[in-house]
Amino acid sequence: EAQVTQNPRYLITVTGKKLTVTCSQNMNHEYMSWYRQDPGLGLRQIYYSMNVEVTDKGDVPEGYKVSRKEKRNFPLILESPSPNQTSLYFCASSLVGGGQNEQFFGPGTRLTVL
Amino acid sequence: DAKTTQPPSMDCAEGRAANLPCNHSTISGNEYVYWYRQIHSQGPQYIIHGLKNNETNEMASLIITEDRKSSTLILPHATLRDTAVYYCIVSPLNRDDKIIFGKGTRLHILP
Repeated sequence: EAQVTQNPRYLITVTGKKLTVTCSQNMNHEYMSWYRQDPGLGLRQIYYSMNVEVTDKGDVPEGYKVSRKEKRNFPLILESPSPNQTSLYFCASSLVGGGQNEQFFGPGTRLTVL
Repeated sequence: DAKTTQPPSMDCAEGRAANLPCNHSTISGNEYVYWYRQIHSQGPQYIIHGLKNNETNEMASLIITEDRKSSTLILPHATLRDTAVYYCIVSPLNRDDKIIFGKGTRLHILP
């Protein structure tokens, strides 16, 4: 089944403790992206990747890192999480480009930073 | 800033057609209009997209005005399961540009 998976689905952590949220897609998509969603603010893009070893900042990249060493994986790294990074996070992928094809979204990761 | 403008919320009676408007007055000639929806806190789901012609699929119809400055998503027979937030986005002009989603329209289907 074609899908985007994220792990973990739920995470509660403390300020400053490094964490990684994994994202994987099995559709051989070139483009992958991370979004965060907060009440009243809609979906905001954090980082995106056009292909392996190519990443770019989205609207809200501060406090996040990403890597794209393999086509299928696009982990989101929070080196020193803070409470303002408490949010619902979505990973997405599409065949090519940023908006030239439909995006497939993962189920979301709800992160709480205490 | 979002390239699109949508009403924050709308109501529609069950069984009726839901018509969701979107303004994209600064759209460029080769930018597509995409619609997604998000049910509760699930991952957004693609609905439909178009360039200049009207489009229809099993989920919805998309009507794009001739000047392309606005569009309407039509759910022909709304059901309670169509209650969701609907996002209209304009695809980036360049493939490596970021995507801006905006806040969408919260559609309530009333029984």
